[in-house]
This record gives sequence, C-alpha cells and structure tokens, in this order.
Amino acid sequence: AQSVAQPEDQVNVAEGNPLTVKCTYSVSGNPYLFWYVQYPNRGLQFLLKYITGDNLVKGSYGFEAEFNKSQTSFHLKKPSALVSDSALYFCAVRGFYLYNFNKFYFGSGTKLNVKP
Amino acid sequence: DTAVSQTPKYLVTQMGNDKSIKCEQNLGHDTMYWYKQDSKKFLKIMFSYNNKELIINETVPNRFSPKSPDKAHLNLHINSLELGDSAVYFCASSLRTGLAGVRNEQFFGPGTRLTVL
Repeated sequence: AQSVAQPEDQVNVAEGNPLTVKCTYSVSGNPYLFWYVQYPNRGLQFLLKYITGDNLVKGSYGFEAEFNKSQTSFHLKKPSALVSDSALYFCAVRGFYLYNFNKFYFGSGTKLNVKP
Repeated sequence: DTAVSQTPKYLVTQMGNDKSIKCEQNLGHDTMYWYKQDSKKFLKIMFSYNNKELIINETVPNRFSPKSPDKAHLNLHINSLELGDSAVYFCASSLRTGLAGVRNEQFFGPGTRLTVL
C-alpha cells in the first residue's frame, strides 16, 4: 500500500535561515508526490508536485522539494524562511494501483514555526 | 472567484440532528472529494465522485451520505449526528481521474467546522 510519513510533528526555525520539512514515502513503482500547506482556519493549498523528470521541483512561495529515490524521500525546502511561512505542511502520495489510483494518502502533517 | 467553496463555514448542532454541507467548484473539474480532518489534523478521505458517479467510498458510517447533482457540486448529508462527528470537513476537486489524471493535484475548499454538542 502507498503511504507517506512525516517524522517531525513540529519544526522550529529562525527567520532567514533555511528550512527543511521531511517526508518519506512507501510506494511500489514510481511515486506521484505532493506538498500542501494549511494556514490556520484555511483549506489546504497546493505547493508543488513530483511526477517525473528533474529531482528538484520548484513550487509556490519560494519552496522547493527534492525527490530522492534511493532514500525514498521528498523533503520540502526553502533557502530563507519567513515568519509568514509558519503553517501546517502536508506531504501526500497518490495511489499507484488500479484500485486506489484516485486516492491521495496524506502524512500526519508538520507544524512549521518560523520565529522572528 | 472562489475556486472551491463550501457552506456553511461553521456548523454547531445538537446530537441526533441531521445536517448538510454543500460544496461547489467552478474550476471545471470532474472529480470531487470529501475529507474529514480530526482534532489532531489528520486527514482522512471519505468519498469521491467522478462525473456524478461514486468512485471512492471509505469505511464511513452510513449516516453519511454524499450526493452529487452535477459534476460541479458535491454535498454531504449527515444523519443522527454524534459527538465523534465533530471535525473539519473539507471538500476538494481535481481534473480527471485514472491514468489521464495522475499528474493533477487537488484543490481544497476552506472547510466546514462541525461541532456536535
């Protein structure tokens, strides 16, 4: 079965420093991976996705993610964090088999706190 | 302008009541979803419709009944509400299912916070 894991419930970083939010996946075959952000009392917003091709994917708001097949990881990164990046971040993987192709499996979420 | 909208935003009701949540998308998508987000922020898919046809039906009590009058709308009706139904319910949509839609992300509504007293 497909799944993603976000090992950190919370990540704290100082404004201006680089940030990384971790995600590992478990998928048979090539994964379709996504990152979403949820601001307080809001719905999830799409940030970026990896389908195929270049392992470094660039997305919205200066975020990027690196797909690493050997480590089965898809970590979200940003070179310089902003206080406004503070939010809840979700990694997701799309189902691979015919029976679950239309499903997205979400991680448990990582709360990012960026301190001034 | 809103891509995926839900009404109401907040819903406070008594145990045993019946309530509905409505969702509409103006993105021209053909697939819509209902998710439940619990107090620990964990997201669980409940249902999905493609062109008015139910394609995902997770292990959800049959007190929950989705209805899709057309591909732009997906409503959720809940009978005999229980305390454990308190959560935030998100509607989402995406374009095309199956192999053709594998690259497409989901777009989420703002959520409906349901509180059962």
